[in-house]
Amino acid sequence: EAAVTQSPRNKVAVTGGKVTLSCNQTNNHNNMYWYRQDTGHGLRLIHYSYGAGSTEKGDIPDGYKASRPSQENFSLILELATPSQTSVYFCASGDQGWGNYAEQFFGPGTRLTVL
Amino acid sequence: GDSVTQTEGLVTLTEGLPVMLNCTYQTIYSNPFLFWYVQHLNESPRLLLKSFTDNKRTEHQGFHATLHKSSSSFHLQKSSAQLSDSALYYCALSDRGLSGSFNKLTFGAGTRLAVCP
Repeated sequence: EAAVTQSPRNKVAVTGGKVTLSCNQTNNHNNMYWYRQDTGHGLRLIHYSYGAGSTEKGDIPDGYKASRPSQENFSLILELATPSQTSVYFCASGDQGWGNYAEQFFGPGTRLTVL
Repeated sequence: GDSVTQTEGLVTLTEGLPVMLNCTYQTIYSNPFLFWYVQHLNESPRLLLKSFTDNKRTEHQGFHATLHKSSSSFHLQKSSAQLSDSALYYCALSDRGLSGSFNKLTFGAGTRLAVCP
């Protein structure tokens, strides 16, 4: 069974503060992803990575940075948090090879509230 | 860019009635991969169905879907709804890079299914 964990599970931050969301996967997948989930918008991709040292912008990268220091870990960083970034954040991992359906395995999510 | 459009908002059904959740997509890629993910309350999304073969029915856990490239559709169906089917359903489209490797998924806005006794 695929294993993706996230920390913290819940976070309350102040406007202008720095927030770091962490993700760890034990699947040895090359690809990792950060999404935010909002009612009416579904899952929107923020940043993703093909492997250690790489990060790519997703569909809504503004206001977010990402870091992939190792195969297992992928962080999402909000340097200056704003109330509009209040959301549920999901990390996912997936494989990428030919013939593979690229199923993504999601972590449990982090609920972030920015006051 | 790629886009996915789903049945909007909330679908409410009585237990035992058939389920159909619509999904249409737009992509420049001629061989898209389509997915249905399901998310139950307080859980994370998980894969329900996947397909890349035109006009072939794919089934899992009582649900089925057929990718129709002619109409760019991948509707999710089930013959008889159960209370446990109540969940949020996402249709998603894969973006496959020039190298042939999978890049990312584009998700629809989601359809919430509520099955009532």
